[in-house]
Amino acid sequence: GGIITQTPKFLIGQEGQKLTLKCQQNFNHDTMYWYRQDSGKGLRLIYYSITENDLQKGDLSEGYDASREKKSSFSLTVTSAQKNEMAVFLCASSPDRGNQAPLFGEGTRLSVL
Amino acid sequence: GDSVTQTEGLVTLTEGLPVMLNCTYQTIYSNAFLFWYVHYLNESPWLLLRSSTDNKRTEHQGFHATLHKSSSSFHLQKSSAQLSDSALYYCALSERGSALGRLHFGAGTQLIVIP
Repeated sequence: GGIITQTPKFLIGQEGQKLTLKCQQNFNHDTMYWYRQDSGKGLRLIYYSITENDLQKGDLSEGYDASREKKSSFSLTVTSAQKNEMAVFLCASSPDRGNQAPLFGEGTRLSVL
Repeated sequence: GDSVTQTEGLVTLTEGLPVMLNCTYQTIYSNAFLFWYVHYLNESPWLLLRSSTDNKRTEHQGFHATLHKSSSSFHLQKSSAQLSDSALYYCALSERGSALGRLHFGAGTQLIVIP
């Protein structure tokens, strides 16, 4: 079976710091996503990518960059961490065809001091 | 634009009572897909139910939901809550029907089942 691996699981940063989160999937899925989870706000899409080197902005892309270096990996960069920010970032992937819903990784938990 | 509304942020139930988590949506697409994801603490969210067929009941692991396009609803139900059902539940809408794309999630409902 396949797996979506997110690294690191926990990330502690300083205000203003640039922070990078990584995601790898071995399902050979075409599309990959980054979502942010905040209590009471659901999951909000930051960026997604439908193929290698493609990037599409989601609803929450300001303050983030993303990179799809190869089909299996999708990284997210917080360009300037905000003081006291706490959130969970979830990576997901899905095939481009058929009716399979996205599968999720376990998340990266970010805390900014 | 597309949106999903889950009316309850927190639902606390006694074990054995029925579960009903509400979900309504707005979309311009007639063939939209609706989903319920469940997220247990420290695990990945995973798909519980999905549907794109009007008025057809879909079931999985004791939960069921029926998509009603006339009322734009996809409520999640279970006849008898178990302690292990305690989790965060998300209703979600796909903006494309033929090949699933971005999901629009509701705010989530935290279900707590007590003895």
